[in-house]
Amino acid sequence: AQSVTQLDSQVPVFEEAPVELRCNYSSSVSVYLFWYVQYPNQGLQLLLKYLSGSTLVESINGFEAEFNKSQTSFHLRKPSVHISDTAEYFCAVSDPNRDDKIIFGKGTRLHILP
Amino acid sequence: NAGVMQNPRHLVRRRGQEARLRCSPMKGHSHVYWYRQLPEEGLKFMVYLQKENIIDESGMPKERFSAEFPKEGPSILRIQQVVRGDSAAYFCASSLPPYMNTEAFFGQGTRLTVV
Repeated sequence: AQSVTQLDSQVPVFEEAPVELRCNYSSSVSVYLFWYVQYPNQGLQLLLKYLSGSTLVESINGFEAEFNKSQTSFHLRKPSVHISDTAEYFCAVSDPNRDDKIIFGKGTRLHILP
Repeated sequence: NAGVMQNPRHLVRRRGQEARLRCSPMKGHSHVYWYRQLPEEGLKFMVYLQKENIIDESGMPKERFSAEFPKEGPSILRIQQVVRGDSAAYFCASSLPPYMNTEAFFGQGTRLTVV
């Protein structure tokens, strides 16, 4: 069965600094990969996804993630964070070859420091 | 096209009562997921349903918990004889069939408090 590891439970970073949130998944022949964001007291919203094709995927608010098959990673990056990026970020994986559930990591809380 | 609707948003139950959480998927979506979120524990998968069919319930406790997604109407997560440990946020998500290359869309969640 698939699994997702987010090693960092919390990441503090100064405003306008770069950030990387790490995500590793258990290996599989093929995967779909997702990053979701959860703002306080809200549900999860899709930030970006990798289904196939280009290994670098981008969101509309400046985040990007790169699918690295050899390292089984899908790290999320942003070159310059804003206070409004304060949220919890969840990495998720599913198996496109099976009618299977989406598995989530434990989440990484991003703290933006002024 | 309305998003995934969950109700109630907040639910308070005394120990031993029943809790019913409702989830109306996005229009046209055939698959529903239920997740439980506890502080510092992320999202725990509970159950994955298609209309009138449970695909995977491996994350759901064997006792007191049940879920359904009938042909008509919302998906229901039912918790009987609630205990304090059931207090959590419960999120529902819906999607098209996975082979259609789609992500899951989440509702705002139901926050269950057992007193």
